[in-house]
Amino acid sequence: DAKTTQPTSMDCAEGRAANLPCNHSTISGNEYVYWYRQIHSQGPQYIIHGLKNNETNEMASLIITEDRKSSTLILPHATLRDTAVYYCIVRGNSGGSNYKLTFGKGTLLTVNP
Amino acid sequence: GAGVSQSPRYKVAKRGQDVALRCDPISGHVSLFWYQQALGQGPEFLTYFQNEAQLDKSGLPSDRFFAERPEGSVSTLKIQRTQQEDSAVYLCASSLEGLLGYTFGSGTRLTVV
Repeated sequence: DAKTTQPTSMDCAEGRAANLPCNHSTISGNEYVYWYRQIHSQGPQYIIHGLKNNETNEMASLIITEDRKSSTLILPHATLRDTAVYYCIVRGNSGGSNYKLTFGKGTLLTVNP
Repeated sequence: GAGVSQSPRYKVAKRGQDVALRCDPISGHVSLFWYQQALGQGPEFLTYFQNEAQLDKSGLPSDRFFAERPEGSVSTLKIQRTQQEDSAVYLCASSLEGLLGYTFGSGTRLTVV
C-alpha cells in the first residue's frame, strides 16, 4: 500500500469548515483513498473513501486531485464532537491482503469553541 | 448486536501473568481482525480470521500472542507471560468481507505493571 503523509495536528473553529490534507504521491492506479477517524477512547470509525472522483456523504466530502497524489477531507461545519485523530489510508480494494488497514499517526484535529 | 463488543474494557496485569481478551463481532460478519495500538500511534494489524480459519497471523509480535475463533463468531486474543511492552489498546474489528462494513470495537486497554 502506498505511504501517506499528514500534518501532525490542526485546529479549527466550531462551525467552520475543517480541511484535512493528505499526500499520497506513490498511489497506484487501482488504490483507493480511505479516511477513518478515532475519537478519544473509541475505535477507528470509517468516514469516506474514493478512487478518483470527488465523493460526499453525510459525514464529509473527499476531494482527490486530478493526478491523485493528494486529497483533502472536508468537514463542512465542524463541531466539538469532531475533535479526533483523522487517518488517511491508501489501499487496493481487491486481491492480496486487502483486508488490512495500515494506519499512520494521522492528524489530530482539535475543534475549538 | 449493533456493534463490535470487546471485554474487558480495561485490564491491569502483573508482569508474567496470562491474559485473555474477548471480541464479539457484529452478527453475520465473516471476517474478524485484531489490531494493537500503542500510546500515540496508529493501530497495527495483528491477525485476521475468515470464519474460524486464521488466514493471517503475520502481525502477532511473538509466540506469546495467540488468537482463536473456534466457532466462527466470538474471538479471544490470549497473551501469555505478559511483558510491559505489551501495554497497549487491543482493538477488534469485523467485516462482511474485505473492507465492506469494516467496524471497530472500542478496544481493551491492557496495562502491564
